[in-house]
Amino acid sequence: DTGVSQDPRHKITKRGQNVTFRCDPISEHNRLYWYRQTLGQGPEFLTYFQNEAQLEKSRLLSDRFSAERPKGSFSTLEIQRTEQGDSAMYLCASSSREGAYEQYFGPGTRLTVT
Amino acid sequence: AQSVSQHNHHVILSEAASLELGCNYSYGGTVNLFWYVQYPGQHLQLLLKYFSGDPLVKGIKGFEAEFIKSKFSFNLRKPSVQWSDTAEYFCAVFASGGYNKLIFGAGTRLAVHP
Repeated sequence: DTGVSQDPRHKITKRGQNVTFRCDPISEHNRLYWYRQTLGQGPEFLTYFQNEAQLEKSRLLSDRFSAERPKGSFSTLEIQRTEQGDSAMYLCASSSREGAYEQYFGPGTRLTVT
Repeated sequence: AQSVSQHNHHVILSEAASLELGCNYSYGGTVNLFWYVQYPGQHLQLLLKYFSGDPLVKGIKGFEAEFIKSKFSFNLRKPSVQWSDTAEYFCAVFASGGYNKLIFGAGTRLAVHP
């Protein structure tokens, strides 16, 4: 399967712990997006990378959140000092320069903060 | 700020019934509109998209959507649903300001009974 992959698929953590998620986009896709989806809502944009450059961050992304995309390939999203309100599905999507209008989504990482 | 409204949160239909899911967006400029579908246990997938041209857009699996600019609407339709159409459907629009981040509606959960 050459689609977008995310790891882990599920993460349960205690409040105050740090967590890190990984996203591997479709090979050669230079655009990468992170979204967050809570129960009963559609995905909400968090941040965008074009190659290795983080070009936009949502106000939803507090100081406890940081994202990287070293070398313009895979991306990581880290949440420090997790809070119960961080419990959500974290989705990654990628698109190519040519097909910039179509974003391909990964399966998501479901985070539960207890 | 741009937003997307989906009027029906839950829809229950019998097989062979016709489907119409409402979507309204708030933005006065040029819009790019999408419908995504998430089947149980699967990734978000693009169902269809509208950028310009014919306002009646045909997508996969017999779905279509009509862009009505005067009504700021992009409703999804299917003449005859199947049990396999049971899924959650999300309407989305590109946010203005570049980078093609998506703004999603809250979603409509469709259950089709045999």
